[in-house]
Amino acid sequence: QKEVEQNSGPLSVPEGAIASLNCTYSDRGSQSFFWYRQYSGKSPELIMFIYSNGDKEDGRFTAQLNKASQYVSLLIRDSQPSDSATYLCAVYSGGYQKVTFGTGTKLQVIP
Amino acid sequence: SAVISQKPSRDICQRGTSLTIQCQVDSQVTMMFWYRQQPGQSLTLIATANQGSEATYESGFVIDKFPISRPNLTFSTLTVSNMSPEDSSIYLCSVESSGGAEDTQYFGPGTRLTVL
Repeated sequence: QKEVEQNSGPLSVPEGAIASLNCTYSDRGSQSFFWYRQYSGKSPELIMFIYSNGDKEDGRFTAQLNKASQYVSLLIRDSQPSDSATYLCAVYSGGYQKVTFGTGTKLQVIP
Repeated sequence: SAVISQKPSRDICQRGTSLTIQCQVDSQVTMMFWYRQQPGQSLTLIATANQGSEATYESGFVIDKFPISRPNLTFSTLTVSNMSPEDSSIYLCSVESSGGAEDTQYFGPGTRLTVL
């Protein structure tokens, strides 16, 4: 079982819709969870982090964490073509003492 | 967040040669990391570079192939030694920055390496 799993996509959504990106992780001791956006040919850019169960909102982005289900998600409201990128889920595991990245979900927002 | 620069931004190298990548941060940081991202893949941690001690390498990566220096709290280098085409990848420097209650990781712009 991979430590951090994401659907590779591509996930296609129409402009203005809500994009929902999902991530599961294997280490129950994981403490911190991050979402990075990576445009083609660019380095990852941190867009959200969450540490506690529940929702965290920042502008059009909402991160959701459910530690019991070992599940973290990212919702993007009012999706724009500029949101088209690969979204990487990253998990900090106290057991491994490192950040592990998922393989990323490619999002395509169709104008 | 920390501002990170890397040099070179890209290079094309011949098989058997070595390349040293530099990473500079605009503030002092304890933890610096080197990642590799092969085409179409996610990030793979190569090693953690701590100032004043030997780098800690992940499984599958060895010091002879990827020697790392960390002379101070704002600078690190990664050398890719005796390169082969399989080393063609993007190499990313990352730092851990304290932003309040928890630490987060930020990435440099990356070095795109092509080995012929």
